[in-house]
Amino acid sequence: DGGITQSPKYLFRKEGQNVTLSCEQNLNHDAMYWYRQDPGQGLRLIYYSQIVNDFQKGDIAEGYSVSREKKESFPLTVTSAQKNPTAFYLCASSIDPPGQGQPQHFGDGTRLSIL
Amino acid sequence: AQTVTQSQPEMSVQEAETVTLSCTYDTSESDYYLFWYKQPPSRQMILVIRQEAYKQQNATENRFSVNFQKAAKSFSLKISDSQLGDAAMYFCAYRSGMYSGGGADGLTFGKGTHLIIQP
Repeated sequence: DGGITQSPKYLFRKEGQNVTLSCEQNLNHDAMYWYRQDPGQGLRLIYYSQIVNDFQKGDIAEGYSVSREKKESFPLTVTSAQKNPTAFYLCASSIDPPGQGQPQHFGDGTRLSIL
Repeated sequence: AQTVTQSQPEMSVQEAETVTLSCTYDTSESDYYLFWYKQPPSRQMILVIRQEAYKQQNATENRFSVNFQKAAKSFSLKISDSQLGDAAMYFCAYRSGMYSGGGADGLTFGKGTHLIIQP
């Protein structure tokens, strides 16, 4: 079955440590996205990528980095510069030619906590 | 920048009744898309319904329908014959369209409405 796989489901970070969240999709979608969700908040966009080897900052990119070396994969690194990383992280993809409003499909998410 | 407002943090409805969730948005664009997503306790985001701004006709998906009022910038979701499985967080979301010069970036979400279904 096609879909988006995020791993791990739960992740713990120590002070000063970088951690990487994995996102893989087999939907053959060009566009991929990372969102952060805090309690009582909607999702906020961290980074997005429309094609391989290209990505753009979203609304809250500080303290995060991404890469897009393969169409299927869009890992997110939470760096030590992100002082409040505890949140639920969701990866999404879409077949979207930009601007045509196709819905985004989401993975099951990763919950990141500070040790 | 666009904003999406969901003014009802929580709503409760009896099973089999009808409930309407409110959403308003602020934009200067004419080409855009609106969505309702459902997030059950499993935390997975599930698309409920999609509306194209240039279409006058309100979108419908089985028991789910929207009331899209473009001039008022309102996009409410009506759930008919509520079922226990409808209990979830519901998020309204906005996306710019191609003719607004955008759409390559992600969705703008409201803060959500927690829907409780009373048996």
